[in-house]
Amino acid sequence: DQQVKQNSPSLSVQEGRISILNCDYTNSMFDYFLWYKKYPAEGPTFLISISSIKDKNEDGRFTVFLNKSAKHLSLHIVPSQPGDSAVYFCAASARMGASYGKLTFGQGTILTVHP
Amino acid sequence: NAGVMQNPRHLVRRRGQEARLRCSPMKGHSHVYWYRQLPEEGLKFMVYLQKENIIDESGMPKERFSAEFPKEGPSILRIQQVVRGDSAAYFCASSKDGLNTDTQYFGPGTRLTVL
Repeated sequence: DQQVKQNSPSLSVQEGRISILNCDYTNSMFDYFLWYKKYPAEGPTFLISISSIKDKNEDGRFTVFLNKSAKHLSLHIVPSQPGDSAVYFCAASARMGASYGKLTFGQGTILTVHP
Repeated sequence: NAGVMQNPRHLVRRRGQEARLRCSPMKGHSHVYWYRQLPEEGLKFMVYLQKENIIDESGMPKERFSAEFPKEGPSILRIQQVVRGDSAAYFCASSKDGLNTDTQYFGPGTRLTVL
């Protein structure tokens, strides 16, 4: 039962262009969403988060958009840089119920930014 | 300000041996979470602990796995009688207040290999 899905296993983008990573969820109890970036042999690094009371949150080159009716969120990186090449994980948590406190992760999307 | 510490970074065990993985949360954090990442998969929640208490162990296999977070010292994830299927990366995360909107910060992980 995959409650958080990242349907694109990989994405390739040219340096300077926009990277858009997508994430869908099925559990309507999820109300807090996070994006993590992960390099090989390292732990996930927190990037940006969004609460369900918002539809957009921005931090520098990173913007997360949330569409609650579609149960969809996306991470935009602009401009993309070669150092952004990594695996990106979408994660969700719920304010109550069985998913409270713990993060449910998607499968990840491998982003490659070409110089 | 040290981040989440995990040791060892790499652990090799033969089938039937015990594995002990340690996690020291960030300073000021009293909530610890363990996640497992199998090859080619996303991270899966295992257990959520607060000092001296297990809050949620719904992701823990029913046998051979146990976790603790004593009043003093690091959190320990213990795997008894390891099997090849236990080979994975084990990540620990910590948060300050345990709220679902509280960001979880991850350690570098312990890579367990069972021969």
